[in-house]
Amino acid sequence: GENVEQHPSTLSVQEGDSAVIKCTYSDSASNYFPWYKQELGKRPQLIIDIRSNVGEKKDQRIAVTLNKTAKHFSLHITETQPEDSAVYFCAARISGGSYIPTFGRGTSLIVHP
Amino acid sequence: SQTIHQWPATLVQPVGSPLSLECTVEGTSNPNLYWYRQAAGRGLQLLFYSVGIGQISSEVPQNLSASRPQDRQFILSSKKLLLSDSGFYLCAWSVIGVNTEAFFGQGTRLTVV
Repeated sequence: GENVEQHPSTLSVQEGDSAVIKCTYSDSASNYFPWYKQELGKRPQLIIDIRSNVGEKKDQRIAVTLNKTAKHFSLHITETQPEDSAVYFCAARISGGSYIPTFGRGTSLIVHP
Repeated sequence: SQTIHQWPATLVQPVGSPLSLECTVEGTSNPNLYWYRQAAGRGLQLLFYSVGIGQISSEVPQNLSASRPQDRQFILSSKKLLLSDSGFYLCAWSVIGVNTEAFFGQGTRLTVV
C-alpha cells in the first residue's frame, strides 16, 4: 500500500517568514495530493490540492509543488500569520480501487507574532 | 450541498463500557465512508472504511468494529472500551470512484476513564 512520510513534525517560525512542509510518497500510482489544515480541537479541512498532471499550484499565500519523478510534494506558506498556526496534513490517493487517502503524520506549525 | 454529521462531540466512558459513535452524510449517494482515530492531537490513523452498505474493511486489528446499516450511515462500536481507546475520532466521506478530497465530521473526543 501507499506510505506517506511528512517532515518536519514541528515547525516554528516568526510572523512574516515563510514555512515549507515536505512529504514523500511510495506508490507511483498516486495521482491526487491534498493538504489539510487542522486547528486545535477542530476537524481537518482542505486548503489546497494538486493532481499529478500539474507541477505547481498557488492560492494567495499558499502553494503546493509536486515532483512525480522524485515522488515528493511540498506545501509553501508565505508571509505567515499567527492564524496559520495549526497542524497540517499531506495526503496521497491512488487512482482506481477504493481511493483511500493515506495521510502523513502531520506538522504542527507555530507562528510567533 | 453535502453535509456530514457526527455525534456526540464529547464522550467520557469508563473502562469496560460499550461505545457507539454515529456518523451520517447528507446530500450525496453511495459515498466512501471512513473512521479515523487521532491520538495526542496528531496523526490520522485509518480504522475502517466502507465502499457500500454492509461492506467494511478494517485497517487495524483492535477491539473496535464498524457497521454501515444504511447508505449514508456509519457507526463505530466497541463492546468493552480500553484506556488506550481514548482519542479524537473522526468520520469522513468522499465521492466514490472519483479521486477527490475527503470531508471530515466535527469529531468525537473520547476519554476512557
